[in-house]
Amino acid sequence: GAVVSQHPSRVICKSGTSVKIECRSLDFQATTMFWYRQFPKKSLMLMATSNEGSKATYEQGVEKDKFLINHASLTLSTLTVTSAHPEDSSFYICSARDLHGADNSPLHFGNGTRLTVT
Amino acid sequence: GQNIDQPTEMTATEGAIVQINCTYQTSGFNGLFWYQQHAGEAPTFLSYNVLDGLEEKGRFSSFLSRSKGYSYLLLKELQMKDSASYLCAVLDSNYQLIWGAGTKLIIKP
Repeated sequence: GAVVSQHPSRVICKSGTSVKIECRSLDFQATTMFWYRQFPKKSLMLMATSNEGSKATYEQGVEKDKFLINHASLTLSTLTVTSAHPEDSSFYICSARDLHGADNSPLHFGNGTRLTVT
Repeated sequence: GQNIDQPTEMTATEGAIVQINCTYQTSGFNGLFWYQQHAGEAPTFLSYNVLDGLEEKGRFSSFLSRSKGYSYLLLKELQMKDSASYLCAVLDSNYQLIWGAGTKLIIKP
């Protein structure tokens, strides 16, 4: 089956530093990847849609200068949390849809990254 | 606005059957997904319904009524490993996924 690898799974960083999270589709290509944030006992919140070779599309209320997204190839998207603060602590999950799949094909998720900012 | 409702938490007994309901109001409809999410892990795909009726897949079945904006996930022969959150998500007219908050299912021996 389609596999999405997300790294790191856990990261602890100090306030003011930046953290990069990688999302790779291992056995398929994806022109579009999605970055979600999830708070405890809450729904997945779409942060942005990452588009290969072009700028990401950010959801309302998500600061694009704080959450930098780069989708440099058909198998890799990165999310960089810049100048992290404790309120950025959360569970971040990426997902991707197979380039050759239909628009209604299921998303494949990475295993998520637990970010803790101290 | 777009809205998906599902119960926050349900409890069931090992070996029993449980039905998790989901109602939705969205701008258009291109299908409904159910995902399973264990604590601290990413969601995994369970089922997809786009036509009315029941889709059966082993111990799990999913039902859809588009006219009622309603779906349910039916889990049979419950096992302890089924303890997880179950997320309902609807694909709207723009093929954007709208997520419910998830139902935490607790299985007791």
